Amino acid sequence: DARVTQTPRHKVTEMGQEVTMRCQPILGHNTVFWYRQTMMQGLELLAYFRNRAPLDDSGMPKDRFSAEMPDATLATLKIQPSEPRDSAVYFCASGPTGGLGRPQHFGDGTRLSIL
Amino acid sequence: TQLLEQSPQFLSIQEGENLTVYCNSSSVFSSLQWYRQEPGEGPVLLVTVVTGGEVKKLKRLTFQFGDARKDSSLHITAAQTGDTGLYLCAGAMTTDSWGKFQFGAGTQVVVTP
Repeated sequence: DARVTQTPRHKVTEMGQEVTMRCQPILGHNTVFWYRQTMMQGLELLAYFRNRAPLDDSGMPKDRFSAEMPDATLATLKIQPSEPRDSAVYFCASGPTGGLGRPQHFGDGTRLSIL
Repeated sequence: TQLLEQSPQFLSIQEGENLTVYCNSSSVFSSLQWYRQEPGEGPVLLVTVVTGGEVKKLKRLTFQFGDARKDSSLHITAAQTGDTGLYLCAGAMTTDSWGKFQFGAGTQVVVTP
């Protein structure tokens, strides 16, 4: 089965450091989402792309977060500088367009700990 | 404040029992999805409902979308230990091909032998 691949699976770093998380969407999917999951807030949408163009990044702290899709096979989420409150599990999901309620296929996440 | 309220937050039952979890909102959704998430993994889609009053069955799981498209329920019959997981509902408020999905906080279900 095709899967969304996220790297790294785990990341521990000190505050102030730059963090880059990568996502390889399922081949042929042209919509990509970035989510953050914490115990307190649950699953929050940070940004999403369609055909590599950012459609909505209103859920993302713009001063330190940035999301890009350099090409159709790679999406990146960067945090610079990182802060302890950024500790969370970050998920990437991809899906096809067309029709209501198209499925989102999630990767297994990057568990980020900022010390 | 969550746009989608899920209840209960936590549910522990024994194998063979039935359970129902709820997803409620004051907003109308164009579609609603249910996911199950296991530890260390991403959520996996179980079902999508788009029509008010719609009922879908997936083996022992029954999903219902409210007539007004503001709420949904998931009923599991004769639960098994493999049903353990975090159940999340997600609603789309627009009719775009890809409206933004808002997720509920989830219901943690534990099924014991």
